[in-house]
Amino acid sequence: QLQLQESGPGLVKPSETLSLTCTVSGGSISSSSYYWGWIRQPPGKGLEWIGSIYYSGSTYYNPSLKSRVTISVDTSKNQFSLKLSSVTAADTAVYYCARASTNYDILTGYFYPRFDPWGQGTLVTVSS
Amino acid sequence: SSELTQDPAVSVALGQTVRITCQGDSLRSYYASWYQQKPGQAPVLVIYGKNNRPSGIPDRFSGSSSGNTASLTITGAQAEDEADYYCNSRDSSGNPWVFGGGTKLTVL
Repeated sequence: QLQLQESGPGLVKPSETLSLTCTVSGGSISSSSYYWGWIRQPPGKGLEWIGSIYYSGSTYYNPSLKSRVTISVDTSKNQFSLKLSSVTAADTAVYYCARASTNYDILTGYFYPRFDPWGQGTLVTVSS
Repeated sequence: SSELTQDPAVSVALGQTVRITCQGDSLRSYYASWYQQKPGQAPVLVIYGKNNRPSGIPDRFSGSSSGNTASLTITGAQAEDEADYYCNSRDSSGNPWVFGGGTKLTVL
């Protein structure tokens, strides 16, 4: 059973860089069928997709965060990582990692993206 | 702001049927996936594709799509279905993943 686990500091100072790692177990991060994504959720608010990475290193980023986000992958460790620079209090959130995919329904011609499974999430607070 | 629009809150009487909707231009060519999130827990995928349920999701959960609207239907809502529900799809600008703002479901 595939499992994902986030790790990293729970407290980051304003203007510094937030760094988190997601460790994948029970399966290979090098699977050709999947991307690997980061999603965050500020306290009391909704989910926000941050970005996703393929095992080859190809990335997609949320345009609203693109200038501050870097996602990387280490296939030897079965991990992928998130760096968010110049953080402010607005970046305080629970950060989740998840396996991402977009498949194609040949009968209807529709694509269907999804995130499954998810890590348990880790709260990162930005404060001095 | 999200390019997928959901009603902020919906309520349903115990045992009745409720529909939670998600609107967006991208839904004319992309199905939505649906996630259930209970307080303090990570989201869980409940519906994906045309109408697919991951293993372990009760069959009272179903999905449908028409035009620019995707729907999650819970037939015979249970107390344990009280949660926040989020839709997820592509956005009209071409970003591969975007979430709706979420719907808080209350089971009365």
